[in-house]
Amino acid sequence: GNSVTQMEGPVTLSEEAFLTINCTYTATGYPSLFWYVQYPGEGLQLLLKATKADDKGSNKGFEATYRKETTSFHLEKGSVQVSDSAVYFCALSPSYSSASKIIFGSGTRLSIRP
Amino acid sequence: NAGVMQNPRHLVRRRGQEARLRCSPMKGHSHVYWYRQLPEEGLKFMVYLQKENIIDESGMPKERFSAEFPKEGPSILRIQQVVRGDSAAYFCASSQGSGSSYNEQFFGPGTRLTVL
Repeated sequence: GNSVTQMEGPVTLSEEAFLTINCTYTATGYPSLFWYVQYPGEGLQLLLKATKADDKGSNKGFEATYRKETTSFHLEKGSVQVSDSAVYFCALSPSYSSASKIIFGSGTRLSIRP
Repeated sequence: NAGVMQNPRHLVRRRGQEARLRCSPMKGHSHVYWYRQLPEEGLKFMVYLQKENIIDESGMPKERFSAEFPKEGPSILRIQQVVRGDSAAYFCASSQGSGSSYNEQFFGPGTRLTVL
């Protein structure tokens, strides 16, 4: 079946530190991969996505590369800010072209201290 | 263009009561998805609907839960005879559906259900 495993939190970093949140997946076929961010008391926002192998998604300084050989989609940012404090979810959609459910990892809480 | 709307944002019910959660998709979107988030957990898929049809309900509990997306009006997630374990945040998402090369889902702000 399809599943997503991501790094457990919480993760606490100082401002301007380098961030990596690991994510691996199990899927049949060719899934699309996502990172969503959830700020306190809010819904999910799509942070970035990649729809095929070797694609790199990027947004707001965050990047993730779709690695089919290692079934991974690790989230990275070179210099984090206090405003990046949130919960980050790695996710996949089994189908690129057809509407279908999204399967989420359990989330990683990130706290950035000034 | 307004985003996905959910109401109420917060709902308190006593055990045994019914909860009705509403979701209005983004304009032009004909696909709706419901997800549940238990405290400190990720989102779990519940049901996927198109207008007047349930497409995938593989994540719906077998009893007490139902969902609809009528021809007119919002999608409704209904929970009958609520129990404390139903306390969670319920998120709705919508997507454009047919005609898109990629069906990106846009999420609403969620309804936080508390069962006393």
